[in-house]
Amino acid sequence: SSDLTQPPSVSVSPGQTARITCSGDALPKQYAFWYQQKTGQAPLLIIYKDTERPSGIPHRFSGSSSGTTVALTISGVQAEDEADYYCQSVDTTDGYQVIFGGGTKLTVL
Amino acid sequence: QVRLQESGPRLVKSSETLSLTCTVSGGSVNNGSYYWTWIRQPPGKGLEWIGNMYYAGSTDYNPSLKTRVSISLHMLKNQFTLKLKSVTAADTAVYFCAKVAGNYASSSGIDFWPQGMLVTVSS
Repeated sequence: SSDLTQPPSVSVSPGQTARITCSGDALPKQYAFWYQQKTGQAPLLIIYKDTERPSGIPHRFSGSSSGTTVALTISGVQAEDEADYYCQSVDTTDGYQVIFGGGTKLTVL
Repeated sequence: QVRLQESGPRLVKSSETLSLTCTVSGGSVNNGSYYWTWIRQPPGKGLEWIGNMYYAGSTDYNPSLKTRVSISLHMLKNQFTLKLKSVTAADTAVYFCAKVAGNYASSSGIDFWPQGMLVTVSS
């Protein structure tokens, strides 16, 4: 099966840009999705189909894709963006399987 | 707007069957514009996909859980259920039932997650 690899942690100061990567063999063939999970809350979809932003998600969140790596970029990070971020895709090499990255803890210094 | 609410026992004994129900409101449980998924998160850990239930009742399951899991649709009650057999302490987790926008061929992501339900497996 295919895995998705994320850095365990990323730290940035307020107002800076945070970039969280997600790598996996499935990504050139399948879309990626990004979820934000604040402490004690359910995950929230913030990017779908690599680059699309659901309504209500601030424009400072953006997604990009290149080969086996996708990235979530948060421009002008705010304190409220401190959370765990998970990438998700699909592995169809042997049936159909939803796969998640291990998650990245974003710390706003 | 579609809403979901999980229900079921919060404490399950080891080797027994975990059974959770997700009740859908504000929409039909059998709608071709979206489908359903179960995901779990052990305390302090990441997200793990359990399985999907699609329009008309077809399913996909996580290969690592496939021998123990089943997801069913109950149209008259507008519900779908999760059953996980032979549970162990490793199955202790927050369980989420969630809605996936789109269809099997073109998903737009898991766009609604209720709060989730902590289920503890006791020995």
